[in-house]
Amino acid sequence: GESVGLHLPTLSVQEGDNSIINCAYSNSASDYFIWYKQESGKGPQFIIDIRSNMDKRQGQRVTVLLNKTVKHLSLQIAATQPGDSAVYFCAETPSGGGADGLTFGKGTHLIIQP
Amino acid sequence: DSGVTQTPKHLITATGQRVTLRCSPRSGDLSVYWYQQSLDQGLQFLIQYYNGEERAKGNILERFSAQQFPDLHSELNLSSLELGDSALYFCASSVDPGAGNSPLHFGNGTRLTVT
Repeated sequence: GESVGLHLPTLSVQEGDNSIINCAYSNSASDYFIWYKQESGKGPQFIIDIRSNMDKRQGQRVTVLLNKTVKHLSLQIAATQPGDSAVYFCAETPSGGGADGLTFGKGTHLIIQP
Repeated sequence: DSGVTQTPKHLITATGQRVTLRCSPRSGDLSVYWYQQSLDQGLQFLIQYYNGEERAKGNILERFSAQQFPDLHSELNLSSLELGDSALYFCASSVDPGAGNSPLHFGNGTRLTVT
């Protein structure tokens, strides 16, 4: 099957700075995208989602950008805090759900430096 | 707290054995998904049930099986265990029949160690 991948396995940012986590996907049929945060010892936690009829969606301190032309997704976290340290996954699926459920990328480990 | 409950949290067993992992979905959710997370494979979709019926199948081995009961809780059965089955097993739930309509909400997983 097609895969979703992340550009950088580890991202280190200073506390208070903004961070950007990138994700590339290859399934052109995908039109529903989700970002998850996974802390050590816990399951993936839903952060924000976006559908392909949108380019941008904002939540609390987070923004997801979708570029369908180049099949690229990004998660922006504003004013990072120590609690933002985690592994972040992007996931994608066609609307209605593909045969493979959600397809996850490998994850980016975000490290917040004090 | 996602509202999805998984038991047990940890499981240690020997090769060749059989184990059962249990999942209670969020209240009102009809879909249950099972995922396997290992260091080298990331999160891999295993199987999905919707309202008691198998809905979608992913990379699930024949040694593994699952079911969803009338009260909507689900069990994942892993048999003839091998060392390579050691991983985190996550259950997720959603209200919709497909993964593309609303986000999945994950439990905190069962860590399986096969020795």
